[in-house]
Amino acid sequence: EVQLVESGGGLVQPGGSLRLSCAASGFIFSSHSMSWVRQAPGKGLECISFISPTSNTYYADSVKGRFTISRDNAKNSLYLQMDSLTAEDTAVYYCARDLSTVTRVFDYWGQGTLVTVSS
Amino acid sequence: EIVLTQSPATLSLSPGERATLSCRASQSVSSYLAWFQQKPGQAPRLLIYDASNRATGIPARFSGSGSGTDFTLTISSLEPEDFAVYYCQQRSNWPRTFGQGTKVEIK
Repeated sequence: EVQLVESGGGLVQPGGSLRLSCAASGFIFSSHSMSWVRQAPGKGLECISFISPTSNTYYADSVKGRFTISRDNAKNSLYLQMDSLTAEDTAVYYCARDLSTVTRVFDYWGQGTLVTVSS
Repeated sequence: EIVLTQSPATLSLSPGERATLSCRASQSVSSYLAWFQQKPGQAPRLLIYDASNRATGIPARFSGSGSGTDFTLTISSLEPEDFAVYYCQQRSNWPRTFGQGTKVEIK
């Protein structure tokens, strides 16, 4: 059974940093592209970062230069290092798997971890 | 960035009725359009990908159509568990973008 479990969320002050993790199981992690998608309270979905199996990365303009996505295929884990956080980064953060490297659609999602940026 | 516009914002229907949700892209996304369902407190669930392909385990009452800039999600006969928010999402260009959502509520 495919499982994605996020952790690392919490309350952080503006300007602070946080590192999110996503533990993957039930599939060959190293074969799949992964992404982080966030959802501000009561708002829609925003895809903020992507990483291919070979660690090619993309970022949304809203997080470029502040967030860093990475993966450790040996540990079946995905990470998101978030720096220079602002109130606008307050959201539930989901990790999501691409169905395949050809069909890049989010077929599995984690349950999400809440990040709150506030003083 | 490709903007996806969903309509209507809210759809009020009764169980058993047919639901038709629309998604329009600001430029062609070919067939690279997916639909997701999200219930309160839950992660989104993939329903349809590449415009018309049902994801694994999705009931046949869900169907998708369209190409280019205009897409439709149809729920042929609403079940009680189908009342939720639905998002379309394109994978034609980075960043992958989502529509703002259509809420299907019980009338």
